[in-house]
Amino acid sequence: QLSESGGGLVQPGGSLRLSCVASGFNFGNYAMSWVRQAPGKGLDWVSGISGGGTQTYYADSVKGRFTISRDDSKSTLYLQMNNVRAGDAAVYYCARHNVYTANWPDPWGQGTLVTVSS
Amino acid sequence: QSVLTQPPSASGTPGQRVTISCSEGSSNIASTSVSWYQQLPGAAPKLLICNNHQRPSGVPDRFSGSKSGTSASLAISGLRSEDEADYYCAAWDYSMLAWVFGGGTKLTVL
Repeated sequence: QLSESGGGLVQPGGSLRLSCVASGFNFGNYAMSWVRQAPGKGLDWVSGISGGGTQTYYADSVKGRFTISRDDSKSTLYLQMNNVRAGDAAVYYCARHNVYTANWPDPWGQGTLVTVSS
Repeated sequence: QSVLTQPPSASGTPGQRVTISCSEGSSNIASTSVSWYQQLPGAAPKLLICNNHQRPSGVPDRFSGSKSGTSASLAISGLRSEDEADYYCAAWDYSMLAWVFGGGTKLTVL
């Protein structure tokens, strides 16, 4: 099970940290990703991290602004969002990969909503 | 840049068989596996097909996937009203080291 939190209202240029708490599996053994969905739009992969956190991956649209990390002792995935833009407004889902990042993401959490407005 | 192209909409009547296509616009992902997701209104995406054609446990065998060359397809047979949802294909781009999702297909059961 995956449960996201940390969403909310953020001003353009502001920062926000999302969290995703995992349960029911050995978190440290699995790659994880963040995928977002703007209102009425399709799915947009944001970032991924390998099991153990040695490798991280980012969509070009968020490189240099977002940082993915994990704390395996807390079974928690994070997404630090800096210099947030209007286009970052979306529901953010965390998802577990089938061990490796290149394998399909499933299951997904219920999502947390990020709203960007001044 | 990798692109997965899906038709924006599809429709069928109960009991019919419908097919949703997913065309890969980049050779970067032509050799990788395609996954398919179903997203019901207000819900998180749910995996339907992985590795082009494999169904996870619990997914009805009415759903099937295939891939040939640079195109993949999701077929739904015995269409039901509860199949009305958005469907997405996805693949890992080994060159860009990123996941790519298709734009999604809204399935309407008439």
